[in-house]
Amino acid sequence: ETGVTQTPRHLVMGMTNKKSLKCEQHLGHNAMYWYKQSAKKPLELMFVYSLEERVENNSVPSRFSPECPNSSHLFLHLHTLQPEDSALYLCASSQGQFSTNEKLFFGSGTQLSVL
Amino acid sequence: AQSVAQPEDQVNVAEGNPLTVKCTYSVSGNPYLFWYVQYPNRGLQFLLKYITGDNLVKGSYGFEAEFNKSQTSFHLKKPSALVGGSALYSCAVRAYTGGFKTIFGAGTRLFVKA
Repeated sequence: ETGVTQTPRHLVMGMTNKKSLKCEQHLGHNAMYWYKQSAKKPLELMFVYSLEERVENNSVPSRFSPECPNSSHLFLHLHTLQPEDSALYLCASSQGQFSTNEKLFFGSGTQLSVL
Repeated sequence: AQSVAQPEDQVNVAEGNPLTVKCTYSVSGNPYLFWYVQYPNRGLQFLLKYITGDNLVKGSYGFEAEFNKSQTSFHLKKPSALVGGSALYSCAVRAYTGGFKTIFGAGTRLFVKA
């Protein structure tokens, strides 16, 4: 166990659906992240939250909408996705966002399929 | 631009043999380098990191990595592979681009055959 829990583990949705991914960390960390993992491609950083404030949005389409209600919880709201959005979505946390040697703690991910 | 390259999609090794998973990087300034491992249906787990000091760093599960500044490499090694080590190994660099970011390579899938 890494201390980062993601639900659901698997999600199948149509292009017109609205769904949300949830992430919870029990490590007392101040920074949380959403990454997208596609086959044979590097992890793509989507969003970064530091102390509940969004500090980075890496040109992610508006059909992905993050929410960080407190330092322990992070959501990714999904709306009118495309089939190419099918991927493994990973949540991660770290002690802080501004030090050089921060290591990331990852959840097990949500495998998303968009039909 | 900051980047990480893992030239091999897949590495096959027999159990008990030494293994190497390659990684090269391109950053401006000092590199802060990491290796993560991802087992099936799991998230990434931290293995080891290089920040400064001794070029050979040791990590979890008997893995080690050697930082080579002149070759801009940070190859992951293990003297004797185990079947349970079959997984996806991802190299990463933490670099400053208007804020610290962790940039990952595409990953190398390691298969250890009994």
